[in-house]
Amino acid sequence: KQEVTQIPAALSVPEGENLVLNCSFTDSAIYNLQWFRQDPGKGLTSLLLIQSSQREQTSGRLNASLDKSSGRSTLYIAASQPGDSATYLCAVPTGANNLFFGTGTRLTVIP
Amino acid sequence: DVKVTQSSRYLVKRTGEKVFLECVQDMDHENMFWYRQDPGLGLRLIYFSYDVKMKEKGDIPEGYSVSREKKERFSLILESASTNQTSMYLCASTVEGIYTEAFFGQGTRLTVV
Repeated sequence: KQEVTQIPAALSVPEGENLVLNCSFTDSAIYNLQWFRQDPGKGLTSLLLIQSSQREQTSGRLNASLDKSSGRSTLYIAASQPGDSATYLCAVPTGANNLFFGTGTRLTVIP
Repeated sequence: DVKVTQSSRYLVKRTGEKVFLECVQDMDHENMFWYRQDPGLGLRLIYFSYDVKMKEKGDIPEGYSVSREKKERFSLILESASTNQTSMYLCASTVEGIYTEAFFGQGTRLTVV
């Protein structure tokens, strides 16, 4: 069974810092990997989707990488802002009818 | 802009009530999902639907049922609400095929008292 781990569970950084969030998965036979953001008490917002054939995907200040062979993905956030404070989740699909989620990294950006 | 809309942000229901959570998507997606999210347990799949009137059980279907009479609408039903069903409920949708990008609604925080 696929297991998805996100370390650290929580992270605090001063505004302006660049940071990296980590996601590890045990079964490398994945179709894609998706990163989400979740604000307290709200739903999930899709940030980036990386297909298994890709190594990187970028959107604005966000860059996600995928290394299937090592079972890892990273989300790089450049020049962090207080508005980036949220929980970040990664998820990988299993078959066509489920997503395995990590437990998330709670990010706090201190002004 | 893609949109998944859940009918309520917050609900408070009494034990034993029948509860309906509604989800509507405007992207003509084939697949729709209901998850619940609990601290320390993450997101867990309750039910999945890949077409109108079609459904599959997820990891934790006990105490729940679903209905999909129209492609855009997927309902989660708590037949007799219990306090252990107090949770955040999240609806999602995707297009058909190898799992593509998932879009989520804003969530419904259900409290059963």
